[in-house]
Amino acid sequence: GQQVMQIPQYQHVQEGEDFTTYCNSSTTLSNIQWYKQRPGGHPVFLIQLVKSGEVKKQKRLTFQFGEAKKNSSLHITATQTTDVGTYFCAGLGWAGETSGSRLTFGEGTQLTVNP
Amino acid sequence: KAGVTQTPRYLIKTRGQQVTLSCSPISGHRSVSWYQQTPGQGLQFLFEYFSETQRNKGNFPGRFSGRQFSNSRSEMNVSTLELGDSALYLCASRRDTLQETQYFGPGTRLLVL
Repeated sequence: GQQVMQIPQYQHVQEGEDFTTYCNSSTTLSNIQWYKQRPGGHPVFLIQLVKSGEVKKQKRLTFQFGEAKKNSSLHITATQTTDVGTYFCAGLGWAGETSGSRLTFGEGTQLTVNP
Repeated sequence: KAGVTQTPRYLIKTRGQQVTLSCSPISGHRSVSWYQQTPGQGLQFLFEYFSETQRNKGNFPGRFSGRQFSNSRSEMNVSTLELGDSALYLCASRRDTLQETQYFGPGTRLLVL
């Protein structure tokens, strides 16, 4: 079935450093979504990428979707303490005849930022 | 527009009991998905309901079931609770197709003793 791997699992940075999390799918995706979950909170939608090679920016956050639509990345420039949380990717792809299309989440990258 | 709401927010049960969780989607959203989140397993998809029909199902045992009502509100039931069922149960609603953004509720934190 469809698998979505996300690395690293944990990342500790000093405030002001950059941060990147990577997402790889075992199958070609229709789209990929990114979510942020603050400690004690619930996942909050950040962005969706649909096109091959697409790049989107939200202030200090840059999201990329690979040319083959099997991988994606989220890059944060000059991290701040407000960036603390777990970042999840979720890929929409075909999970087989039985399951059909499925949104599969990566395991997330937990980001901590030291002030 | 009000967000996704879930009740109760916290629940403590003992092994063998059953539990019902409720989710009210955003107004106009017809799809409700349920997820289980645990520290070791991340976000695991349970099932999705759309227009009162189960549209998709994850790899969970039959003890986990759900339903959706005509007003799109959804319930999830877990029977014969096990210690390993302790988790944060999240529901998410979307308007229609899987390509659309889904919005998560605050979750129900279930502790099984």
